Amino acid sequence: GAGVSQSPRYKVAKRGQDVALRCDPISGHVSLFWYQQALGQGPEFLTYFQNEAQLDKSGLPSDRFFAERPEGSVSTLKIQRTQQEDSAVYLCASSAPTGMDYGYTFGSGTRLTVV
Amino acid sequence: GIQVEQSPPDLILQEGANSTLRCNFSDSVNNLQWFHQNPWGQLINLFYIPSGTKQNGRLSATTVATERYSLLYISSSQTTDSGVYFCAGDSNYQLIWGAGTKLIIKP
Repeated sequence: GAGVSQSPRYKVAKRGQDVALRCDPISGHVSLFWYQQALGQGPEFLTYFQNEAQLDKSGLPSDRFFAERPEGSVSTLKIQRTQQEDSAVYLCASSAPTGMDYGYTFGSGTRLTVV
Repeated sequence: GIQVEQSPPDLILQEGANSTLRCNFSDSVNNLQWFHQNPWGQLINLFYIPSGTKQNGRLSATTVATERYSLLYISSSQTTDSGVYFCAGDSNYQLIWGAGTKLIIKP
């Protein structure tokens, strides 16, 4: 696609509910990233995929967070048993391989509100 | 220590004014990028600028990698330029972000 597509755009979840956030990266971008952005702050790294391999998940805040990219394209970030502190905007970004002059392209994000 | 530092933190200008935003970055950070986050939260990649100068309309950016800083210039500001401007750089493929400059352009 022309850009990074994320869905849903907004999600309201009751505390304890499981949620799944989808990211469809730019076609051909092998690198995919998830970031979490709290209100008024810069994005915080969650996890990184190169194709289907999850190379770094050090930023995931707890074992309730799980991300996958089984076929090296679409990725899903799953949050189990949501808590109020999970409320944030979840951003997905993709980039072409290192050395190409594209940088990172971000999706519009999913705003998660846990009530 | 702080790896990416932006200044000023806040900037309020009248429409039509010019502005310069600064980003200092440490040795561990490379491949500077500038982003604009609009009031609706969308992050737009403005420039991928590891070094040198690039221009896109009223915006231009310069990175002097040897001195570890980058500048974003906005000329003839418009109200639609309002939002938060972030610089970020690669450090082991993670993006390390500055705290942002919040820009308000008044009509």
